[in-house]
Amino acid sequence: EPEVTQTPSHQVTQMGQEVILRCVPISNHLYFYWYRQILGQKVEFLVSFYNNEISEKSEIFDDQFSVERPDGSNFTLKIRSTKLEDSAMYFCASSEVLHSPDRQNEAFFGQGTRLTVV
Amino acid sequence: DAKTTQPNSMESNEEEPVHLPCNHSTISGTDYIHWYRQLPSQGPEYVIHGLTSNVNNRMASLAIAEDRKSSTLILHRATLRDAAVYYCILRDDYSGAGSYQLTFGKGTKLSVIP
Repeated sequence: EPEVTQTPSHQVTQMGQEVILRCVPISNHLYFYWYRQILGQKVEFLVSFYNNEISEKSEIFDDQFSVERPDGSNFTLKIRSTKLEDSAMYFCASSEVLHSPDRQNEAFFGQGTRLTVV
Repeated sequence: DAKTTQPNSMESNEEEPVHLPCNHSTISGTDYIHWYRQLPSQGPEYVIHGLTSNVNNRMASLAIAEDRKSSTLILHRATLRDAAVYYCILRDDYSGAGSYQLTFGKGTKLSVIP
């Protein structure tokens, strides 16, 4: 069964450093997302991406965050200058279609990258 | 976004059916009802979704009230692997003008007793 893969599974970084979290979405999917989950809290939407541009972003997704699809397979989340409060699980997701009531439009999530900022 | 209300936690015995309720009294006509679950230390996983009619798939069934103000996720035979947090989420999948995001609440933590 196709799956979304994320690397690394765990990343430790010093405060102020830049990190790049990597994701390989399912190959025929067109919509990509990043979510995060701080320990013990809700899963929060960060950003959605379609046709090489951001479709939607939350208020969490400020100027320190950026996303990119550098090639045909990878989808990355960059955090420019990490803060202690960026420590969380980061989930990448992808879906084939969106607003299509007659088609399966579920989002497939990866296993996540645990980011620890020290 | 239309909001949902779920019990914080539920328990079930293994191999018995489980009915997970969700209230969504402010649902709009173009909101689909989505259910996802999150197993411990994993990413969310799609379970089922529907609009008005009851839906069945290999994982579960979704029973939607006639007025659409509530729904129930039914696991026909709970296994230990079904222990997870279950999220009921509304999303406008119909009008084309809705948000792309899934808005997760706190969900219902389901414990399965052997």
